[in-house]
Amino acid sequence: DAGVIQSPRHEVTEMGQEVTLRCKPISGHDYLFWYRQTMMRGLELLIYFNNNVPIDDSGMPEDRFSAKMPNASFSTLKIQPSEPRDSAVYFCASSSEAVETQYFGPGTRLLVL
Amino acid sequence: AQKVTQAQTEISVVEKEDVTLDCVYETRDTTYYLFWYKQPPSGELVFLIRRNSFDEQNEISGRYSWNFQKSTSSFNFTITASQVVDSAVYFCALSDPNSNSGYALNFGKGTSLLVTP
Repeated sequence: DAGVIQSPRHEVTEMGQEVTLRCKPISGHDYLFWYRQTMMRGLELLIYFNNNVPIDDSGMPEDRFSAKMPNASFSTLKIQPSEPRDSAVYFCASSSEAVETQYFGPGTRLLVL
Repeated sequence: AQKVTQAQTEISVVEKEDVTLDCVYETRDTTYYLFWYKQPPSGELVFLIRRNSFDEQNEISGRYSWNFQKSTSSFNFTITASQVVDSAVYFCALSDPNSNSGYALNFGKGTSLLVTP
């Protein structure tokens, strides 16, 4: 079975550019989570969806960040405009139920110059 | 408020030694879930174990074992006869559905384990 798929795996961009990260959850999983990992703050939740509906976006840093889930098999995390402090590894995870195990994608390593 | 503390930032052992990674958590709720994940140098997060708060039975999986003690709010992870391939960062995480963070995983800062030949 395919796991969580994320693209791109690496992204280098310049400050001010728009960045779009993509995620395909495991088929049949109703919950999708976006996390960010930095040296300073560790792993932290940005937003999560249930059945394509955003449930908790309290972790989204600011208005420059937005996330969508147009269907059960696809989600995007967009940063516009990007800033150097957005440099981090962004993980997508999915689970079959809210309290079940979250399986993580390989992550997208973002570097904003 | 809930919190996960992994007091050991880095541990270095020689191959074949046993090593225990500590995890202490805080929560006011009686229903919660605890997890361990492994992050090898390649960067992915690999699920190791999930345990709910009502199941205090210890678990063994090959060289891995976990000791869950509600009395001390700890969920420690032991690797027996460590191998070089065990070198990674290990994260303990807490999910507390009744808290403000809902079903999000609250991660500890991680313990970096280095196993040398």
